[in-house]
Amino acid sequence: EDQVTQSPEALRLQEGESSSLNCSYTVSGLRGLFWYRQDPGKGPEFLFTLYSAGEEKEKERLKATLTKKESFLHITAPKPEDSATYLCAVQAGGTSYGKLTFGQGTILTVHP
Amino acid sequence: EAQVTQNPRYLITVTGKKLTVTCSQNMNHEYMSWYRQDPGLGLRQIYYSMNVEVTDKGDVPEGYKVSRKEKRNFPLILESPSPNQTSLYFCASRFTRTGVDGYTFGSGTRLTVV
Repeated sequence: EDQVTQSPEALRLQEGESSSLNCSYTVSGLRGLFWYRQDPGKGPEFLFTLYSAGEEKEKERLKATLTKKESFLHITAPKPEDSATYLCAVQAGGTSYGKLTFGQGTILTVHP
Repeated sequence: EAQVTQNPRYLITVTGKKLTVTCSQNMNHEYMSWYRQDPGLGLRQIYYSMNVEVTDKGDVPEGYKVSRKEKRNFPLILESPSPNQTSLYFCASRFTRTGVDGYTFGSGTRLTVV
């Protein structure tokens, strides 16, 4: 069974204080690992897709990296508007190609 | 505007009264899926559809039905809703652009079953 565990559950940062969010996963044949941002009461918003160990993607203050067992979302010099819940999800290959498994998310709060 | 549209946004119903939550996408995507989101449990996949007339169970399909008669629509049907189906529901479709896959989510439907 595919599993995704995100840590920490909640993270409070001061504006400008860089940090990382972790996503550990077990999946039979990783087809893709996804990062999403979700604001309260809204649908998840796509950030990144990573496909293979060693891959990195960047967007503004966010950088996602992938190893064979986990992914990190690095936030550099965060701003209050980066406050949100960050979700990680994995998609398996083979006969489970259509299934998408999410972690429980990390609630990020950035204080001015 | 490319989007996934769910209706209604909010719904309060009584136990046992059949209901349908609609989902429509205007991006010609083949893959669509439904999720429920509950505090402490995260997003869990209910059903997905790889294409028209092709549907399959996700992790929590009990008490739900889906159909995919045309590419743009993927309704979620609760034939006899129960209070434990009170949740926030999301529909999503999968895109591919510049070689990258991802999912576009709707704005959600908050369902309360009393």
